Amino acid sequence: QLQLQESGPGLVNPSETLSLTCTVSAGSISSSNNYWGWIRQPPGKGLEWIGIIYSSGITYYNPSLKSRVTISVDTSKNQFSLRLNSVTAADTAVYYCARATLYYDLLTGFYAAGGVDYWGQGTLVTVSS
Amino acid sequence: QSVLTQPPSVSAAPGQRVTISCSGGSSNIGNNYVHWYQQLPGTAPKLLIYDNNKRPSGIPDRFSGSKSGTSATLGITGLQTGDEADYYCASWDSNLSAGVFGGGTKLTVL
Repeated sequence: QLQLQESGPGLVNPSETLSLTCTVSAGSISSSNNYWGWIRQPPGKGLEWIGIIYSSGITYYNPSLKSRVTISVDTSKNQFSLRLNSVTAADTAVYYCARATLYYDLLTGFYAAGGVDYWGQGTLVTVSS
Repeated sequence: QSVLTQPPSVSAAPGQRVTISCSGGSSNIGNNYVHWYQQLPGTAPKLLIYDNNKRPSGIPDRFSGSKSGTSATLGITGLQTGDEADYYCASWDSNLSAGVFGGGTKLTVL
């Protein structure tokens, strides 16, 4: 059974960088039919899509976060990571790492993300001094 | 403001049927798959329906999904108290080149 586990600081100072890593076990991050990504949920609020990465390094980001987000992958460690710059209290949330399927998007000619079939347990990151 | 629109809450009695709607546009639901997630309190979301109407292994057939044009619907029959949760629709947006979620619907089983 594939497992994903988030790790990283639970407290980040305002204006600094939030960094999280997701370790994938019982499966390869180099799988050709999957994207790997991050989704967050502020306390008491809904889900927000952050971005995804393919094992080759191709990324897609939420336009509202794109200027501050970097997602990277390390296939040798079977891990992928999230960096979010210049954080504020509004970035306080439970951050989930996840695996999504992919399919061919006829409108764009690129591969779109499908359903998220595996989730990490989530990690709460609080932005506060 | 979410790209996909869901009712904030729905309710029904045990054993009854409930539907949850999800409205979008041509760049997302209209031309891409819709997926539904169930989030029980304090837990990570779980994939309930994928590719508009398919159920992952282990999801009972009480849960169903459908799509028409730029809207989608999640149906739940034979409601149980254990179905009380938040439900989210999601899709890919071809204009944004990003995933999008609905705001979520809280289901209460009276």
